[in-house]
Amino acid sequence: GAVVSQHPSRVICKSGTSVKIECRSLDFQATTMFWYRQFPKKSLMLMATSNEGSKATYEQGVEKDKFLINHASLTLSTLTVTSAHPEDSSFYICSAGQGGDTGELFFGEGSRLTVL
Amino acid sequence: QQQVKQSPQSLIVQKGGISIINCAYENTAFDYFPWYQQFPGKGPALLIAIRPDVSEKKEGRFTISFNKSAKQFSLHIMDSQPGDSATYFCAASSLGGKLIFGQGTELSVKP
Repeated sequence: GAVVSQHPSRVICKSGTSVKIECRSLDFQATTMFWYRQFPKKSLMLMATSNEGSKATYEQGVEKDKFLINHASLTLSTLTVTSAHPEDSSFYICSAGQGGDTGELFFGEGSRLTVL
Repeated sequence: QQQVKQSPQSLIVQKGGISIINCAYENTAFDYFPWYQQFPGKGPALLIAIRPDVSEKKEGRFTISFNKSAKQFSLHIMDSQPGDSATYFCAASSLGGKLIFGQGTELSVKP
């Protein structure tokens, strides 16, 4: 299957700083990428849909000024957690699809953010 | 209406047994039903998926059963192995739409 790469896999930062997480589709072009957040032993919660060349669509309750999403190219989307606080500590996962009729989404390995 | 309800929350099965996880949905516009396997600290990996035009799909030891009228679908893992121990998520979406996940089932296969 197609490969989606996330970087970094783990990041620790101080409260008040900003952290950027990258999501790349390595062998296919993705016009749409999705960002999820997952708490320990919980399900994946969709945060936003990232569209190449346009603004991201955020789910209800997700602060768009806190979680900045940029989809600058067909293979790269970034999530920036601005002014991070300990409650932003979580596992962030991106996914991307190849489009077409399959609907299949490929997920990155996730990025573990710890805010001290 | 966007929810996907998954049960059980946790499941313990003996090696060689059958693991069964169930999901139910409400939105009749959903037309894609995948199952994902997730190991700790990793992203979810697609296991098997089905569309509503078939009632069953089998890939190796994994089978999805789909009941369109009841709006339910289930994952069966035959001959369960300790290496199958992971968290399993069902999901649903309409074509090109958002993927909605179930709550997850933590499967433990005892040797």
